[in-house]
Amino acid sequence: AQSVTQPDIHITVSEGASLELRCNYSYGATPYLFWYVQSPGQGLQLLLKYFSGDTLVQGIKGFEAEFKRSQSSFNLRKPSVHWSDAAEYFCVIGGSSNTGKLIFGQGTTLQVKP
Amino acid sequence: NAGVTQTPKFRVLKTGQSMTLLCAQDMNHEYMYWYRQDPGMGLRLIHYSVGEGTTAKGEVPDGYNVSRLKKQNFLLGLESAAPSQTSVYFCASRGLAGTETQYFGPGTRLLVL
Repeated sequence: AQSVTQPDIHITVSEGASLELRCNYSYGATPYLFWYVQSPGQGLQLLLKYFSGDTLVQGIKGFEAEFKRSQSSFNLRKPSVHWSDAAEYFCVIGGSSNTGKLIFGQGTTLQVKP
Repeated sequence: NAGVTQTPKFRVLKTGQSMTLLCAQDMNHEYMYWYRQDPGMGLRLIHYSVGEGTTAKGEVPDGYNVSRLKKQNFLLGLESAAPSQTSVYFCASRGLAGTETQYFGPGTRLLVL
């Protein structure tokens, strides 16, 4: 079955510290991979995506993610977290199909300590 | 260019009442989706449409109906609301295959008493 697992429901980091959010997936082939961010009371904004090619992808707001096929992972990283990064982060997978349906992870809530 | 908009932003219903949520996009996208978001469960797909006049069931379609009479609009209906339908509803749209990114609206918060 196709699924996405975000092992950490809640993470707290200090401002200026580095961040890594974990994501593992189960899919029959290499899926399209996305990270979305949702600020409190807001909609979802695309941070970055991986379709093919270079396995290290850069996104907005200084985020990057690395696709590791052997580990079925797509972890999100940021070298120095800002207070405004506090939000919920979703790892999402999709396939190349006529429907374009996406499968969402449960989400990781990031809290940033001053 | 407003992107994806949703109406209303917030609504309170009594059990058994009906309502329609409106999603509109101005990006000329073919695909549109309705999701619901519940705590700890991410987003789950309710219904989707791959083009004007077409709709299909997603992961959690029971209790909902949809219509896509115009390309730019995707309506989600609740015929007889239940407390289990208390949730935040998101609409999204996407262009043709090869442009896999979905663009999301700001959400509609629905409370069913």
